[in-house]
Amino acid sequence: AQSVTQLGSHVSVSEGALVLLRCNYSSSVPPYLFWYVQYPNQGLQLLLKYTTGATLVKGINGFEAEFKKSETSFHLTKPSAHMSDAAEYFCAVSEETSYDKVIFGPGTSLSVIP
Amino acid sequence: EPEVTQTPSHQVTQMGQEVILRCVPISNHLYFYWYRQILGQKVEFLVSFYNNEISEKSEIFDDQFSVERPDGSNFTLKIRSTKLEDSAMYFCASSALGGRQETQYFGPGTRLLVL
Repeated sequence: AQSVTQLGSHVSVSEGALVLLRCNYSSSVPPYLFWYVQYPNQGLQLLLKYTTGATLVKGINGFEAEFKKSETSFHLTKPSAHMSDAAEYFCAVSEETSYDKVIFGPGTSLSVIP
Repeated sequence: EPEVTQTPSHQVTQMGQEVILRCVPISNHLYFYWYRQILGQKVEFLVSFYNNEISEKSEIFDDQFSVERPDGSNFTLKIRSTKLEDSAMYFCASSALGGRQETQYFGPGTRLLVL
């Protein structure tokens, strides 16, 4: 079955340090990939998405992700963490046999240490 | 910026009771969805809705669940007879168009607790 895995359920970084959140997916068709962020007591907000074309995708709040087909990965990065980046991050992929369904990873909780 | 809204933010109910979760999608969106997240687990797709009918549903979405767009703005999820295992965060989402590459915009969720 199609799946999304996120290595590390909790990641802590120092303020100003590089943020790297890992995501691997499985798909037998060209994937459409998403990163969502959930701040405390809020809904899921789209950070960025990959559909086709350029494999390095830039999103909001300084985040970017690179689609690597050979590694079936879509890792999320940000050069310099800010306190306001503390949140839950979800990687997701469009289900390959579905028109509507999105499959989510388990999420990574990011803590930023001052 | 337009956003999806959901009411109530929290709902506590007794097992066996009916609950209706309400959502107001983004106004020019045509496709609507419900997802749920049981505490500590993944966000799971429940159902999609377009043109006043269900487009797709998961195996979770059994006869106890129904969806409706009763007027031009609201989109509701009804659970007829709640079970303890229905306790979860329920997210509504909408998109302008359908399709695998479309962005689904999520509401803040309704946390349902079944006692």
